[in-house]
Amino acid sequence: TQLLEQSPQFLSIQEGENLTVYCNSSSVFSSLQWYRQEPGEGPVLLVTVVTGGEVKKLKRLTFQFGDARKDSSLHITAAQPGDTGLYLCAGPEEAGGTSYGKLTFGQGTILTVHP
Amino acid sequence: DTEVTQTPKHLVMGMTNKKSLKCEQHMGHRAMYWYKQKAKKPPELMFVYSYEKLSINESVPSRFSPECPNSSLLNLHLHALQPEDSALYLCASSHRLEVAQYFGPGTRLTVL
Repeated sequence: TQLLEQSPQFLSIQEGENLTVYCNSSSVFSSLQWYRQEPGEGPVLLVTVVTGGEVKKLKRLTFQFGDARKDSSLHITAAQPGDTGLYLCAGPEEAGGTSYGKLTFGQGTILTVHP
Repeated sequence: DTEVTQTPKHLVMGMTNKKSLKCEQHMGHRAMYWYKQKAKKPPELMFVYSYEKLSINESVPSRFSPECPNSSLLNLHLHALQPEDSALYLCASSHRLEVAQYFGPGTRLTVL
């Protein structure tokens, strides 16, 4: 079974601070997705990383996929209250190199950014 | 357009009621999904449809019955639910099974 361990579980910071969320596994993933979810809404896809060592930037958010494709990180620079939400990493479960549509999710990181 | 729509937004039902949740996407995606999510937890997969055929049922109780009338629509029929079934029900879609999924806004279901 492929597991994704996400840390920290909770993060409470002041506006303007930087933060990093980690998503680690002992298994190789063909890709990893990062989602942000606000209360009462569905998860919104932020990024997909596919290539080992890949770095993607989305405004103040920087996503990195580990060289071995077993881990990923999300770094937010100068956090704003609008960044508040539940952040989830997820990767496709595969058997014999084939994905059947099941995603493995990390436990999530609840981020609160105070004004 | 990366929009998945879900109706209704909120639903309150008694344990003897029959209701349906609806999901629609017009992105040409051929895989569609139902998830159940409890507060502050990751979504839990319930069903996967690929090319309008049910490909995964995660041992979901029969009081939940999915239906995929065509490639754009996905329904979840509910009957004789229990209070512990109260949750946010999410629909998602993707081009294929192995690529990123796009989620709808969800239906907040309360079973009394």
